[in-house]
Amino acid sequence: GAVVSQHPSRVICKSGTSVKIECRSLDFQATTMFWYRQFPKQSLMLMATSNEGSKATYEQGVEKDKFLINHASLTLSTLTVTSAHPEDSSFYICSAAQGAEQPQHFGDGTRLSIL
Amino acid sequence: GENVEQHPSTLSVQEGDSAVIKCTYSDSASNYFPWYKQELGKGPQLIIDIRSNVGEKKDQRIAVTLNKTAKHFSLHITETQPEDSAVYFCAASLLGNQFYFGTGTSLTVIP
Repeated sequence: GAVVSQHPSRVICKSGTSVKIECRSLDFQATTMFWYRQFPKQSLMLMATSNEGSKATYEQGVEKDKFLINHASLTLSTLTVTSAHPEDSSFYICSAAQGAEQPQHFGDGTRLSIL
Repeated sequence: GENVEQHPSTLSVQEGDSAVIKCTYSDSASNYFPWYKQELGKGPQLIIDIRSNVGEKKDQRIAVTLNKTAKHFSLHITETQPEDSAVYFCAASLLGNQFYFGTGTSLTVIP
């Protein structure tokens, strides 16, 4: 149980393109979803916390107009990287929690490469 | 906020030996401590977790210990196998709130 699916697994696109990444909880309802960014050989950096039906809470230094997060249902959250540039290239990972006292389960990440 | 330190950053062991990874945390209010295994190109996978009302938890070859007084917790892997090779992350949180991750330990099990 507690499977989180993330798509796409890899994206390569030109600078200026907007990219949408989907995160789905397949066998549970996720009241909260989290978006992380991970640089090579580094730990996970929390970008934002998303609660179903409300606006996401962004961490300091993360541009909310750049990284648009939508959590429209209890099983789906999306991250849109708008007008992506090479410096946005990274590994983006989502996680989902079933409730306030439940652990986070992670998707397999999206490797984003901006040319 | 919470600060989690993890050691060592790299660890090599012979197949069959034990591996121990240690983490410390700063916020005494943290009450949940998961461990994740991340293989190359994949997301972290929860392997074991412990809550603050428990001192030790074991699941087959994996065990976690927690010392609330000293604010540290450790992951123990016994009888290591090559497939245990991965990056391991500890985390601390107040359940329901964000996770604070350690910097990761790259474990290599040498056949």
